[in-house]
Amino acid sequence: AQKITQTQPGMFVQEKEAVTLDCTYDTSDPSYGLFWYKQPSSGEMIFLIYQGSYDQQNATEGRYSLNFQKARKSANLVISASQLGDSAMYFCAMRESSSSGSRLTFGEGTQLTVNP
Amino acid sequence: SAVISQKPSRDICQRGTSLTIQCQVDSQVTMMFWYRQQPGQSLTLIATANQGSEATYESGFVIDKFPISRPNLTFSTLTVSNMSPEDSSIYLCSVVAGSFTEAFFGQGTRLTVV
Repeated sequence: AQKITQTQPGMFVQEKEAVTLDCTYDTSDPSYGLFWYKQPSSGEMIFLIYQGSYDQQNATEGRYSLNFQKARKSANLVISASQLGDSAMYFCAMRESSSSGSRLTFGEGTQLTVNP
Repeated sequence: SAVISQKPSRDICQRGTSLTIQCQVDSQVTMMFWYRQQPGQSLTLIATANQGSEATYESGFVIDKFPISRPNLTFSTLTVSNMSPEDSSIYLCSVVAGSFTEAFFGQGTRLTVV
């Protein structure tokens, strides 16, 4: 079974509007972490935001926030006030404490296009 | 945070040859990870590189094809051996920091095998 599922292969948003990128996960580990990354066409992976399974508050970093719904096993990324530079591939990833070496498991990604 | 310098950033190689990718971190880290991203796909873990011991490979990846060195706590190399066009991918190194709440990547190596 897929551990990380991103159901939106592509998303479009108008500049200055907010957009939500979906991510659901599957784990039986009580301790885990969820990450979001941005990958522009250059190929680098840019770390955006982290949410721990025991964190009481939703994580926020500037224009990025994570809508963490633990019971539903979802960790959606919300980008507010979209900018043209936000156009990129976005990956959701999970680290399970039981996994050896704290490796990350990635979803298939969502290609976000911001229109002017 | 950790700053990772990865090189080369890209290369075009002939089939049958080998390429060694280097990853230098600006701080000491226990574990380094090597990922492969095939065209249009997500990232897949190749192996975990620990200093002072052999790398741990994921299913589908073998040491003869992807030998890894980890001579100290700030440096690692991944070699892609006897390359074929199917090895054309982006290869990325990664480290975990901040009590496992942050995971950073190098700039990636975009490899094309012709």
